[in-house]
Amino acid sequence: SQTIHQWPATLVQPVGSPLSLECTVEGTSNPNLYWYRQAAGRGLQLLFYSVGIGQISSEVPQNLSASRPQDRQFILSSKKLLLSDSGFYLCAWSVPTPGFYEQYFGPGTRLTVT
Amino acid sequence: AQRVTQPEKLLSVFKGAPVELKCNYSYSGSPELFWYVQYSRQRLQLLLRHISRESIKGFTADLNKGETSFHLKKPFAQEEDSAMYYCALYNFNKFYFGSGTKLNVKP
Repeated sequence: SQTIHQWPATLVQPVGSPLSLECTVEGTSNPNLYWYRQAAGRGLQLLFYSVGIGQISSEVPQNLSASRPQDRQFILSSKKLLLSDSGFYLCAWSVPTPGFYEQYFGPGTRLTVT
Repeated sequence: AQRVTQPEKLLSVFKGAPVELKCNYSYSGSPELFWYVQYSRQRLQLLLRHISRESIKGFTADLNKGETSFHLKKPFAQEEDSAMYYCALYNFNKFYFGSGTKLNVKP
């Protein structure tokens, strides 16, 4: 069966420090991978998605970047965190099979920038 | 542009009462629509997809193309239905989520 892992679960970082959040998927090949930020009252904001190794699409101009160095690994990064980067970050995967486009989500990372 | 709107941030009902969570979308083609649910301390998970025309945990959702709506319904709410519900639209590798509705079912 497929599983998705995210780490760390929680993170407290000072303003200006770097960030690296990791997401890995097991049990599937060539998935589409996604990074979201979930904010209370504002739903899920799509940050990045990837349809293959090295292929990254950015949805929102911001202080963050993403990389996909391996088929089932997706990394969210920042060189210098801002206070506004605080939030709950979700990784998700899907396999674009017609009629079964649904996504599966990881447990999330709570990031607090101080 | 694609957009999903959930007009209610919070919906409170008593146990046994009917529930309807509203979702409206804007999309020019034939939409792929989903409802996701997040129970307390659990991951966001798929509840149902419109293409399957299924009933999950007593919930159903009907696509109304004329009204561009995909409302989620349940005839008799249970306390365990209390959760955050998100409507989502899929289009070419991307998912568009509404802002979510928190359902609170009171005993």
